[in-house]
Amino acid sequence: GNSVTQMEGPVTLSEEAFLTINCTYTATGYPSLFWYVQYPGEGLQLLLKATKADDKGSNKGFEATYRKETTSFHLEKGSVQVSDSAVYFCALRNPMDSSYKLIFGSGTRLLVRP
Amino acid sequence: DADVTQTPRNRITKTGKRIMLECSQTKGHDRMYWYRQDPGLGLRLIYYSFDVKDINKGEISDGYSVSRQAQAKFSLSLESAIPNQTALYFCATSDPGTSRDTQYFGPGTRLTVL
Repeated sequence: GNSVTQMEGPVTLSEEAFLTINCTYTATGYPSLFWYVQYPGEGLQLLLKATKADDKGSNKGFEATYRKETTSFHLEKGSVQVSDSAVYFCALRNPMDSSYKLIFGSGTRLLVRP
Repeated sequence: DADVTQTPRNRITKTGKRIMLECSQTKGHDRMYWYRQDPGLGLRLIYYSFDVKDINKGEISDGYSVSRQAQAKFSLSLESAIPNQTALYFCATSDPGTSRDTQYFGPGTRLTVL
């Protein structure tokens, strides 16, 4: 079946540190891949996405590359800010699934300290 | 104003009570979804609807029912709440057009069943 595995948190970094949050997936076919972010007390917001192999999604300094050979979609940012503190969810959508539902990983909490 | 709104934002209830969670959207999207979020489990799909006359069960629909009163409104009901339905509930919408891969989430309803 389809599933998403992401690294457990919390991840604690100092401001301006480099961030990597690992995400790997299992899916049939060629899924679309997403990173969503959830700030405290809010709903999920789309951060970036990639729909085919080797695509790079990017937004707000974050980026992730769709790697089919390693079934991965790791999230990176070169220099984190305190305002990046949030929970990050990796997700996939299987184009063969008529529900168009998203399958989420368990989420990784990021805490950035000044 | 938020595009996807949920009411109430917080609710505490007792075992056996009937509860309704409401979702409204101004995005004009046909597709609406209800997810629940549990710690360490990410989000899981409860029900989804592609238009007013189309209602479908998700992966964890037992104990829940839904109503699509209009294109903009999608309600989730717990007919007889039980403690393991304590969770954070999210409504989401999507557009089958150019951005059909992207789902837009409401702020969530935190439900506690005592």
